[in-house]
Amino acid sequence: SQQGEEDPQALSIQEGENATMNCSYKTSINNLQWYRQNSGRGLVHLILIRSNEREKHSGRLRVTLDTSKKSSSLLITASRAADTASYFCAMPVGSNDYKLSFGAGTTVTVRA
Amino acid sequence: DVKVTQSSRYLVKRTGEKVFLECVQDMDHENMFWYRQDPGLGLRLIYFSYDVKMKEKGDIPEGYSVSREKKERFSLILESASTNQTSMYLCASRRTGNGYTFGSGTRLTVV
Repeated sequence: SQQGEEDPQALSIQEGENATMNCSYKTSINNLQWYRQNSGRGLVHLILIRSNEREKHSGRLRVTLDTSKKSSSLLITASRAADTASYFCAMPVGSNDYKLSFGAGTTVTVRA
Repeated sequence: DVKVTQSSRYLVKRTGEKVFLECVQDMDHENMFWYRQDPGLGLRLIYFSYDVKMKEKGDIPEGYSVSREKKERFSLILESASTNQTSMYLCASRRTGNGYTFGSGTRLTVV
């Protein structure tokens, strides 16, 4: 079963605006990861944030993690048409972290 | 540039055929994974391998088997393809403790 749930399911924004999506999960984790998938392609790893970290940046991406609320957010600043994609949060399942459970994803459309 | 390469982007097979999906990574990663992705069901783990010749069942292993004879190659085998195995198949690899690197996917249609 899926451990993570993204919200919203879909998001449409104008180029240059910021996009924020959230991920909630059910059980304690030691890390949480965000991935992007362009239509019909494989997933691309964006950021891994560990349970002892609260915020992480990578270029125009900012990820936060609140372990007390069991939630994470991904912010894309100054969005571009190329950011149009589905975004997934994923987290380890079970006692080791071999297996990842992926959420259903947020579909982001950036309008020119 | 590091890569996970899946042998085919698109594949059409007949019901009952034995199907081999190949995945090769050039990053010397220990762990390799096969997922399938279906609309409304998301990504589901079929099998994974944490080292050469080691394999473990994921959430939906029925109808599939895997082989990992060399560190860089992880093969998914559909023993007797069925129409409900029509899906997008994604291979991934990673070094323990890090994020996954995915291949571009194989869209398999079983007719």
